[in-house]
This record gives sequence, structure tokens and C-alpha cells, in this order.
Amino acid sequence: DQQVKQNSPSLSVQEGRISILNCDYTNSMFDYFLWYKKYPAEGPTFLISISSIKDKNEDGRFTVFLNKSAKHLSLHIVPSQPGDSAVYFCAASEGADMRFGAGTRLTVKP
Amino acid sequence: DSGVTQTPKHLITATGQRVTLRCSPRSGDLSVYWYQQSLDQGLQFLIQYYNGEERAKGNILERFSAQQFPDLHSELNLSSLELGDSALYFCASSVTDRADYGYTFGSGTRLTVV
Repeated sequence: DQQVKQNSPSLSVQEGRISILNCDYTNSMFDYFLWYKKYPAEGPTFLISISSIKDKNEDGRFTVFLNKSAKHLSLHIVPSQPGDSAVYFCAASEGADMRFGAGTRLTVKP
Repeated sequence: DSGVTQTPKHLITATGQRVTLRCSPRSGDLSVYWYQQSLDQGLQFLIQYYNGEERAKGNILERFSAQQFPDLHSELNLSSLELGDSALYFCASSVTDRADYGYTFGSGTRLTVV
């Protein structure tokens, strides 16, 4: 039962351009949404989050957008840098229960 | 270093065996979560403990069990191992028993069952 889906396994963008990573969810009870970034041989690290009562949250080059009616969220990275190359996991939570998507591998080319 | 310590980093064992994975949460965190990541899969939630008590359960097999000790470290026990149990097992911790503010993950234990 995949309640959180990241339909793009990979994404490649040019340095300096915008990276847009997408995520869909099915459970309308989720009240918090998060993005994690994972480098090889490391655990995921928390990047940015958004509450279900908001539609946008920005932190430096990272912005998360939430469209509750479409059950869709996205992560925008502007401008993209080679160091952003990693696997990005979308997650959604209801209380203590957090569900993760399968991840999108972002490659930023110099 | 995230502050969450997982040992061992790598483990190779045979089918039918039993192993124990250990996790020390970040200082001050009361919640410990266990996740499994199989090849090309997302993180599958297994179980959560908060201050020594089981708080939430995900898709954890009956062959798997966990506990959180008074010093807040946690152990995940995997028994009657099968080839399909080969995966990365992550432990994460947080201050509260909610996921709102994100978790801090350890670097994982890679289990290979041969």
C-alpha cells in the first residue's frame, strides 16, 4: 500500500537551473509533509517540511509547495548546484506514522 | 555525524539465523523509529518506540521484534532470516512522538543474508 508516491525515479538538470521534484499521496489524513535528502552510505537528512495548513514553505534555495486538493507536493531547488546531487525522499506523516516515497535520484550537471 | 549511532554498519549472515541491530538515539531524543530500505524501494516504516514504550507499528514481520531500553537505545531483532530480508535498516530518532519536525537518521546497517 503505497500511500506516498514519487513517480520519477530520476531527474537530471543543468547547474543553475531549477530542479522540480514531485510527490503524490493518497491519505487525506496526512498533516505534515517533509523532504529528505540522502547521499550514498549515509542516512537521510531532513531538508524542509510543510504543514497541511500551508501551501508554501521556503528555506533558502529550497521551496516546498503543497496542493491539498490534488494531494500533490513538490520541491523546487533554485538554482541547482552539483552538490545537490542525491536521492530525495518525500515523506508524509499523521502523528507518529511517517510514510516515505521510493525516492528520486537528482543529478545536477556542471 | 547525525548523532544517531547504528551498529554494526555491515552484517552478513546465513538464512535461518538471527541478528540484532543496535541504535543509540541522538542525545535528548525520546523516540526511536526503525525503517527498512530494500533495493530500489522507499523507506518502509517498521516500528516506533517512545520513552521505552511501543508507540506505532508499521509493516513489521512477526519474525522481527524490537525494544527500547531505559537508557533509550533500541535493538531490532531479526530472526529466521530469509534472503529477502537483505536490506538497509535505518534507525531514526526525534524529541517527540510526532513526525512533524522530521527525524534524525543514522547511517544505517546493511544486512546481507546469504
